[in-house]
Amino acid sequence: EPEVTQTPSHQVTQMGQEVILRCVPISNHLYFYWYRQILGQKVEFLVSFYNNEISEKSEIFDDQFSVERPDGSNFTLKIRSTKLEDSAMYFCASSPGQGNYNEQFFGPGTRLTVL
Amino acid sequence: GQNIDQPTEMTATEGAIVQINCTYQTSGFNGLFWYQQHAGEAPTFLSYNVLDGLEEKGRFSSFLSRSKGYSYLLLKELQMKDSASYLCAFDNAGNNRKLIWGLGTSLAVNP
Repeated sequence: EPEVTQTPSHQVTQMGQEVILRCVPISNHLYFYWYRQILGQKVEFLVSFYNNEISEKSEIFDDQFSVERPDGSNFTLKIRSTKLEDSAMYFCASSPGQGNYNEQFFGPGTRLTVL
Repeated sequence: GQNIDQPTEMTATEGAIVQINCTYQTSGFNGLFWYQQHAGEAPTFLSYNVLDGLEEKGRFSSFLSRSKGYSYLLLKELQMKDSASYLCAFDNAGNNRKLIWGLGTSLAVNP
């Protein structure tokens, strides 16, 4: 069964460093998302991506964040200068985007720890 | 505006039945989802309702009333492994197909 994959599973970085989180969405899906979940808190929407551009971003998704789909398969989230408060689980998700049914399929997540 | 509300925590006993409620407000609506999330793991899909009524899937059922902005997830024959967070989310029918998420209900199943 196709699934969303994410690498790395864990990332530890120093404050101020750049990190790139990678995702491979399900191949025939059209919509891609990044979510963040700080330990013990709710799932927070960061950004959605469709047709090779950002379709919506949240207030969290400031200039420190960027997304890219550099080739036909990968979908990346870059944090330019990490802050302590960026420590969280980052989930990538994709959805078919066709018809009414819009189930989002989540990857296993990347646990980011900023020291 | 858009908002979604569900209880923060619930406790139940192994073998029992538990109902987790979710209420929402939105102008655009294209269905309501329930996801299960174990600690440290990704949310996994449980159910989807877009029409009023009950959808049954094994031990789990989900109900939707669009006119009342209300859904519930019913878990029967509870097992210890059902201890998890249950997330309610709706599709706001926007162009970006974004889901609006609730805070999640943390369910503890006790022996």
